[in-house]
Amino acid sequence: AQSVTQPDIHITVSEGASLELRCNYSYGATPYLFWYVQSPGQGLQLLLKYFSGDTLVQGIKGFEAEFKRSQSSFNLRKPSVHWSDAAEYFCAVGASGSRLTFGEGTQLTVNP
Amino acid sequence: NAGVTQTPKFRILKIGQSMTLQCAQDMNHNYMYWYRQDPGMGLKLIYYSVGAGITDKGEVPNGYNVSRSTTEDFPLRLELAAPSQTSVYFCASSWSAYEETQYFGPGTRLLVL
Repeated sequence: AQSVTQPDIHITVSEGASLELRCNYSYGATPYLFWYVQSPGQGLQLLLKYFSGDTLVQGIKGFEAEFKRSQSSFNLRKPSVHWSDAAEYFCAVGASGSRLTFGEGTQLTVNP
Repeated sequence: NAGVTQTPKFRILKIGQSMTLQCAQDMNHNYMYWYRQDPGMGLKLIYYSVGAGITDKGEVPNGYNVSRSTTEDFPLRLELAAPSQTSVYFCASSWSAYEETQYFGPGTRLLVL
């Protein structure tokens, strides 16, 4: 069965600083990988996804993620964080059946 | 399009009461899902449906029931509410299986006392 680990429960960055959120997955074959964002009081919204091909994936709101098979990672990055990026971020892996397995989330705080 | 809608937004239940959480989508999606979100636990899949009349258990189905009589609606039923069911419940839908983007509703916050 697949699993996802987000090692950082909470990250704080200053506005304008760069950001990297970590995601490690466990799955026997090439997985489908996703990053979702959840703003306070809202449902989840897809930022980006990886299925195959180019390992650097561009998403909405200036985010990107890189799939590294050798490290079983799919880290999310943004070169310059805005205050509106404060939210909770979830990495997810999709594999057999119709299910996604979500990580436990990383809460991002942005200081002015 | 309204997307995925959920009602109610918030509800308090007493132990042993029953209720139905409503979910509807207007995107003609085949797949629909119910998740629960507990603090620090991410989202756990309760039930899902791949089309009208077809449902299947997810990771944490105990204490819940679902039905899917139409493409649009996917209600979640709690028969005998327990404090362990205090959570935030999200409904989602997608065109097809896990490789597709899931669209989430705004959630229902449930408190069982």
